Amino acid sequence: GESVGLHLPTLSVQEGDNSIINCAYSNSASDYFIWYKQESGKGPQFIIDIRSNMDKRQGQRVTVLLNKTVKHLSLQIAATQPGDSAVYFCAALVKGEKLTFGTGTRLTIIP
Amino acid sequence: EPEVTQTPSHQVTQMGQEVILRCVPISNHLYFYWYRQILGQKVEFLVSFYNNEISEKSEIFDDQFSVERPDGSNFTLKIRSTKLEDSAMYFCASSERKVSRETQYFGPGTRLLVL
Repeated sequence: GESVGLHLPTLSVQEGDNSIINCAYSNSASDYFIWYKQESGKGPQFIIDIRSNMDKRQGQRVTVLLNKTVKHLSLQIAATQPGDSAVYFCAALVKGEKLTFGTGTRLTIIP
Repeated sequence: EPEVTQTPSHQVTQMGQEVILRCVPISNHLYFYWYRQILGQKVEFLVSFYNNEISEKSEIFDDQFSVERPDGSNFTLKIRSTKLEDSAMYFCASSERKVSRETQYFGPGTRLLVL
């Protein structure tokens, strides 16, 4: 199976600063990872994904880094804005269709 | 932008009653999923559905649960005899292809409260 965990349940960052949210997974056979953002009362919203044959992927203000050696991935959000306040989940896939989610990190942007 | 929709947004039911949660996936998507999230906990996979049959299910998805695609647009989750521990947010998701090649898009969820 797979288990996914986030390192910190909460993180507070000053507006405009960069934030880094970390995630660890257990199954070295996991081959696809997704970061989701969940705002209060809403469903998970896709942010960025990365496949196991990559170690870095960039989107708009977000970067995901994957370190397969230590089974760790991170989400970097640059120049944080108040709208970035949410719970962030990483999810991992091991061949198949079942995504295993982490417990989530609540990111709070301080104005 | 197309999105997954779910109804109702909230459902309150008595223990032992049947509930049906409804979802309308994105129209050109072929893979459908249900997840649940107990308050304060992680999102948990329940079931995936493709080509009118279950393709994968978790240990949570026992005989009390069933899924159906009754027509070309709806995807439903039925809980036959609800238990208190079924209280959770239930999310529907869909993807155009298998998730390893295409990400899943989630609906806003149905909050189920079993009394």
